[in-house]
This record gives sequence, structure tokens and C-alpha cells, in this order.
Amino acid sequence: EIVMTQSPATLSVSPGERATLSCRASQSVSSNLAWYQQKPGQAPRLLIYDASTRATDIPGRFSGSGSGTDFTLTISSLQSEDFALYYCQHYNNWPPGTFGGGTKVELK
Amino acid sequence: QLTLKESGPTLVKPTQTLTLTCTFSGFSLTTAGVGVGWIRQPPGKALEWLALIYWSDDTRYSPSLKSRLTITKDTSKNQVVLTMTNMDPVDTGTYYCAHTRLLVLPTGTFDIWGQGTVVTVSS
Repeated sequence: EIVMTQSPATLSVSPGERATLSCRASQSVSSNLAWYQQKPGQAPRLLIYDASTRATDIPGRFSGSGSGTDFTLTISSLQSEDFALYYCQHYNNWPPGTFGGGTKVELK
Repeated sequence: QLTLKESGPTLVKPTQTLTLTCTFSGFSLTTAGVGVGWIRQPPGKALEWLALIYWSDDTRYSPSLKSRLTITKDTSKNQVVLTMTNMDPVDTGTYYCAHTRLLVLPTGTFDIWGQGTVVTVSS
């Protein structure tokens, strides 16, 4: 099973700053990588799929990059509503696909 | 607007069978490409995909849990039901159902999720 490792576990950022989240796969997943956002008490929301394609209605400040084993989610200018948990998920040779442990983006 | 809502028992005993229902609106499981999946999250741990059913009745299961899971749909009620047998305390967590659609989203990704339902396994 492919293990997805996210870093850092917690990222402290000020509003307006850039946030960079990392996700590493234990073996290549090509570009079969998605990012989700989850706010406390809310359902997860799909942000990015195919490593860099924004899902419907996702703001342009969210961008994804990478392929193979190393991926990055960038939030170009953090808004107050962006403080949340972020998960990566691979779907290479799905099922099963696995999720990373998450990165919490918190207010600095 | 697409919405999904999970329902079921909050507490089950070890060895019992868990039955969860996902009731959805804003889409139909008779539409080509549409699927509904289940994902869970133990407290403090990562999300784990469990099962998926497509409009065509095609089903997919997590290989590690396949022997314990059954997913079915009732299109007349706009519901998807997940049963998990032989429950254990390690199955405690929040269970989500979620929407996907082939040819719109990559297989294995889910765009709209329910709020989740908490299940505790304890005697």
C-alpha cells in the first residue's frame, strides 16, 4: 500500500501570506493526486485533482503542483476562511487509494 | 445543489453489524457516471476509503475490508446503504458518504461530501 506523508503537521501563517503544504508518496502515483480541505465540523471539500486541476468553484489562490512522489499545495494569499485541515489523497491504481495524515493551517 | 447526509447508530457493540444510510439530493444514481462512496476517519487518524457504488450497480471495495462490507443503493429513495459486519473498537470513527462522477472527476475522488456520522464501537 502506498503511504502518503504530509508535512508539516501544522503550519502557522498570517493572513495574506503564502502557505506551502507538502505531500510525499512512498512510490510514484504519477499525477493521480487530489487535495481536500476540511474545516472544523464541516465536510471535506475537493480542492485539486490530477495534481494541479482546480475543482469547480475553487478560488484561483489555490494551486497544486508536482508529479511522481512529491506534491505541493500552495495558497497564494491566505484568507481567514482558509484556516483548516488539508489532506492529500492518491488514486493511482485505485482502489484503494490512500490519504495523507493532514496538515493543519492555523493562524500565526 | 448536491447534498448528502449520513445516518445510523451512534453506538454499536463489538461483533455487531453496522448499517449506515446515505440520503442524497440534487442528483440521481440513475444518471450515467454517478457514484456514491463511503469514507471513514478514526479519531486523530487519516481518512480511509471504504466502498463505492456506481449508477450501473458496479461496486468497489477497499481490499483490506472487502470481506466485511456491502454497499447497495435504492434509487427510488435516493439512498445508499453500507453494512459492515463484525464491528470492532478500531472501527470507531466518523463515517462520510460522498458523490463522484466518472468522466468528470478522476476515479476515486469525491467532490461533495456529507457532514459525517460518528460511530462508536464499545461494549
